[in-house]
Amino acid sequence: KNQVEQSPQSLIILEGKNCTLQCNYTVSPFSNLRWYKQDTGRGPVSLTIMTFSENTKSNGRYTATLDADTKQSSLHITASQLSDSASYICVVYNTDKLIFGTGTRLQVFP
Amino acid sequence: DTAVSQTPKYLVTQMGNDKSIKCEQNLGHDTMYWYKQDSKKFLKIMFSYNNKELIINETVPNRFSPKSPDKAHLNLHINSLELGDSAVYFCASSQANEYNEQFFGPGTRLTVL
Repeated sequence: KNQVEQSPQSLIILEGKNCTLQCNYTVSPFSNLRWYKQDTGRGPVSLTIMTFSENTKSNGRYTATLDADTKQSSLHITASQLSDSASYICVVYNTDKLIFGTGTRLQVFP
Repeated sequence: DTAVSQTPKYLVTQMGNDKSIKCEQNLGHDTMYWYKQDSKKFLKIMFSYNNKELIINETVPNRFSPKSPDKAHLNLHINSLELGDSAVYFCASSQANEYNEQFFGPGTRLTVL
């Protein structure tokens, strides 16, 4: 069964700290994996997209990693800011459709 | 210059009513989608349209019907609204390529009373 699981479900950190969000998937076939950021009351916005051959990709303070062998991905946020407070959704594309994770709710406090 | 726009942003209505949500994209994409996000924040695809043809229908009730007057628009009509239809509905669009990167609209929060 195609599934995408994320952990933790929620996370609270202090401004300026780093954090890492995890994504495990059982999707076949695999085309690409993307991380979306969804601010409260808004639609998801793509942060990174990685194909099978890519194992790391950065977008500013966001760095995503992909291990296609273990079917795991992580999203590392460096020097967190208040504006990073949002839900982060891991999504895997299997050439036919997107399979969404349930997201990690991140709250950054001053 | 919003890439994917939806109207209205909020919709409050009574059970049994019929309502529509509109979506427009100015990205020149050839595929558009409708998603439902429930209270647990899980995004579930409902429909997608490619060149005015329905290519995915994820077993949603037939009270929901997508209508695409042209490639840039995909509207969602809902008949006989039920309490369980309360959710946030997102429109998205993508270009047909290996990435299938989807761009989402701001969402429409539907509340059925």
